[in-house]
Amino acid sequence: KQEVTQIPAALSVPEGENLVLNCSFTDSAIYNLQWFRQDPGKGLTSLLLIQSSQREQTSGRLNASLDKSSGRSTLYIAASQPGDSATYLCAVPTSGTYKYIFGTGTRLKVLA
Amino acid sequence: DTEVTQTPKHLVMGMTNKKSLKCEQHMGHRAMYWYKQKAKKPPELMFVYSYEKLSINESVPSRFSPECPNSSLLNLHLHALQPEDSALYLCASSQDMAGASTGELFFGEGSRLTVL
Repeated sequence: KQEVTQIPAALSVPEGENLVLNCSFTDSAIYNLQWFRQDPGKGLTSLLLIQSSQREQTSGRLNASLDKSSGRSTLYIAASQPGDSATYLCAVPTSGTYKYIFGTGTRLKVLA
Repeated sequence: DTEVTQTPKHLVMGMTNKKSLKCEQHMGHRAMYWYKQKAKKPPELMFVYSYEKLSINESVPSRFSPECPNSSLLNLHLHALQPEDSALYLCASSQDMAGASTGELFFGEGSRLTVL
């Protein structure tokens, strides 16, 4: 059974820092992985969908990598800003179904 | 347009009321989802409709009744709810199944439900 964990659960950094959020999964037989951002009380915003064949995907200051063999994905945020403060979740698909397994999330606070 | 629209944004209901949550997408997506999210927890899957047919029901109590009138609309009918059902209810859609290159999930802003 696929399990997805995110460490750390919470992170507080000063503005301008580069940071890395981690997502680990137990079953490496995945085809893609999606990263989301969620602001308090709001829906999830899709940030990046990274295919297993791509290994990396970039959007602006965000870069996501995927290493299936080690069961890990990282989300790199460059030059963090207070507006980046949110909860970041990763989701791993269960192939052949419509099920996505969500990680527990990392609550990020970027201090001005 | 990558928008999923949910109404209402907030809903307060008593345990004997009947109400509905609505969701709409115009991206031509074939799958639509209902998720439930409690504070500081990840979303939990409730139902999935694929091609307007119920594909997944995650053993959700019958007081929650989904409906997919057409490929763009998804409703969640609520009846005789309990206070512990208070949560953020999220609608999502995707073009294809999880794991497909077009399996990206798009979420709405959610409906905050409070059951008194």
